[in-house]
Amino acid sequence: DVQLLESGGGLVQPGGSLRLSCAASGFTFRSYAMSWVRQAPGKGLEWVSSISGSSTVTYYADSVKGRFTISRDNSKNTLYLQMNNLRAEDTAVYYCAKGWVGPTNNWFDPWGQGTLVTVSS
Amino acid sequence: QSALTQPPSASGSPGQSVTISCTGTSSDVGTYNYVSWYQQHPGKAPKLFIYEVSKRPSGVPDRFSGSKSGNTASLTVSGLQAEDEADYYCSSYAGSNNFVVFGGGTKLTVL
Repeated sequence: DVQLLESGGGLVQPGGSLRLSCAASGFTFRSYAMSWVRQAPGKGLEWVSSISGSSTVTYYADSVKGRFTISRDNSKNTLYLQMNNLRAEDTAVYYCAKGWVGPTNNWFDPWGQGTLVTVSS
Repeated sequence: QSALTQPPSASGSPGQSVTISCTGTSSDVGTYNYVSWYQQHPGKAPKLFIYEVSKRPSGVPDRFSGSKSGNTASLTVSGLQAEDEADYYCSSYAGSNNFVVFGGGTKLTVL
């Protein structure tokens, strides 16, 4: 079974930093693009960032470009999201998902259980 | 404001059919056949239910079907069951600038 397990969420002050991790199992991690999607409390889904299997291509939503960095360690089957200069509007549950945002295979499946990031003073 | 427009709510009685719409533009839904639908139960992670407009992943009941006409995609749930009560989100590829956009979600209630 494919499993994705996020960690690293928590409470952080505005302007602070946080690194999320997503441990993957049940599939050949290095062969698949991975993504982060977030959901603010009571709101809809918002794509955040995606990375290719070999890390050569990364994409970001305009709302996080320049503040967030996606990366992966294929030797550890782990996906990361480094979040800097956090703002109140970044408060959300962050999901990692197997999937890509390019013009092929443009869907997310499966998703992890999510980790909550709260940005507040 | 979400890029794709969905009705906030939909409802139907057990056994009935209900259709949820997802309206985009010629920059996303109207041009690309990469519309996906996700089901999300409260407090749970989203689950892929439809991809590439009308394809169902393994394990998704065939009561769920997807279609597209022009700038509007649709998810139809036939033979409604209590466990279908959930939030449903559509998404679409939106080109090499925006990549993927989501709808605001539709809360489906089984009466």
